[in-house]
Amino acid sequence: QVQLVQSGAEVKKPGASVKVSCKASGYTFTSYDINWVRQATGQGLEWMGWMNPNSGNTGYAQKFQGRVTMTRNTSISTAYMELSSLRSEDTAVYYCARDQRIWGQGTLVTVSS
Amino acid sequence: AIQMTQSPSSLSASVGDRVTITCRASQGIRNDLGWYQQKPGKAPKLLIYAASSLQSGVPSRFSGSGSGTDFTLTISSLQPEDFATYYCLQDYNYPWAFGQGTKVEIK
Repeated sequence: QVQLVQSGAEVKKPGASVKVSCKASGYTFTSYDINWVRQATGQGLEWMGWMNPNSGNTGYAQKFQGRVTMTRNTSISTAYMELSSLRSEDTAVYYCARDQRIWGQGTLVTVSS
Repeated sequence: AIQMTQSPSSLSASVGDRVTITCRASQGIRNDLGWYQQKPGKAPKLLIYAASSLQSGVPSRFSGSGSGTDFTLTISSLQPEDFATYYCLQDYNYPWAFGQGTKVEIK
């Protein structure tokens, strides 16, 4: 079936970077954009940006410009989201999503000294 | 960028009540809208996609309507397991935009 499976939870120190993976299966990976959404504890859902797996083109929310990088490896149908210069406010669950219907299970990223 | 205005931000209701939540888009988004339910500590669960299509496995008491700029999620008879936070999402264009959420609490 169509699904996105994300990498496991991460704990990082302030100032570090984190890279979350999202492996697609059940459909042609290069045919659909991959989006990234995050949710801090007790907060709403926040869209971070998109990537076209075919071209590698990306678009980022202004809030994350300069700190986020979205990439892919088409040979293994996997998308990546890397967030740098982490701070405590980046502690959140990060989701990849193909569209309204297809989301990954989420990856908890904890930023703590 | 399209903005989604969701209302109310919270509501109190009793089991059996009919509940309506609305999302208004700042510009037309055809029917490119989804509704999600989220319980504490859990991932969002899709209820309705394409504004009015019921996701497989979701009880029929949930329904969605609307097109263009105005959308509604209706729970026809609120059940104990429906107390949660609900979000709308437009994926008509980038940037995607979520509503602020509606917390449905027990009266």
